[in-house]
Amino acid sequence: AQKITQTQPGMFVQEKEAVTLDCTYDTSDPSYGLFWYKQPSSGEMIFLIYQGSYDQQNATEGRYSLNFQKARKSANLVISASQLGDSAMYFCAMRVHSGAGSYQLTFGKGTKLSVIP
Amino acid sequence: KAGVTQTPRYLIKTRGQQVTLSCSPISGHRSVSWYQQTPGQGLQFLFEYFSETQRNKGNFPGRFSGRQFSNSRSEMNVSTLELGDSALYLCASSLARLAGGTPTGELFFGEGSRLTVL
Repeated sequence: AQKITQTQPGMFVQEKEAVTLDCTYDTSDPSYGLFWYKQPSSGEMIFLIYQGSYDQQNATEGRYSLNFQKARKSANLVISASQLGDSAMYFCAMRVHSGAGSYQLTFGKGTKLSVIP
Repeated sequence: KAGVTQTPRYLIKTRGQQVTLSCSPISGHRSVSWYQQTPGQGLQFLFEYFSETQRNKGNFPGRFSGRQFSNSRSEMNVSTLELGDSALYLCASSLARLAGGTPTGELFFGEGSRLTVL
């Protein structure tokens, strides 16, 4: 069974500072993908960044980077230069192949990030 | 490019009733997945459809069902509603491409349908 663990229920960060949100995962499948999503109070899940298990380099998307440490099974999200609009829930998710071309996401419990002016 | 559209955004039902939620994926996306989000259980996978076929199903009772149409639009239905069905129901679409055996491609979510069961 797949499992995602986010150990930080809530985090505070000063505006313009960098912040790291932790995520560890567990799977026996060698082929998987790791995602980070942002969920503001409106409810929509906004895709931030993706890392494939076979990717050699850490993924980056603008101010977001994913610190992928495969041996430790961790996929931490780093947000640089935090902005007030970054205040939201952040979910780490893993996708594994479920056969017949299908796959599903397993989500962590999320981390609520609050950016302080 | 239009995103994933879910309707209705909010609805209130009473126990025992049924509800149908609709999801229009991003144009060209053939895979549609549904997730339930509650404060207690978090985000849980309901099912995935691809080319009108259910490819995968989560651990939910048979009261939860869905379907996908030829235009990739999807509906999910919950019959005999219970108080515990109150949740945000999220739909996600994807190209469902595979590259080199590794699952790739982002899942794009809609804003969700917030169901309250009284």
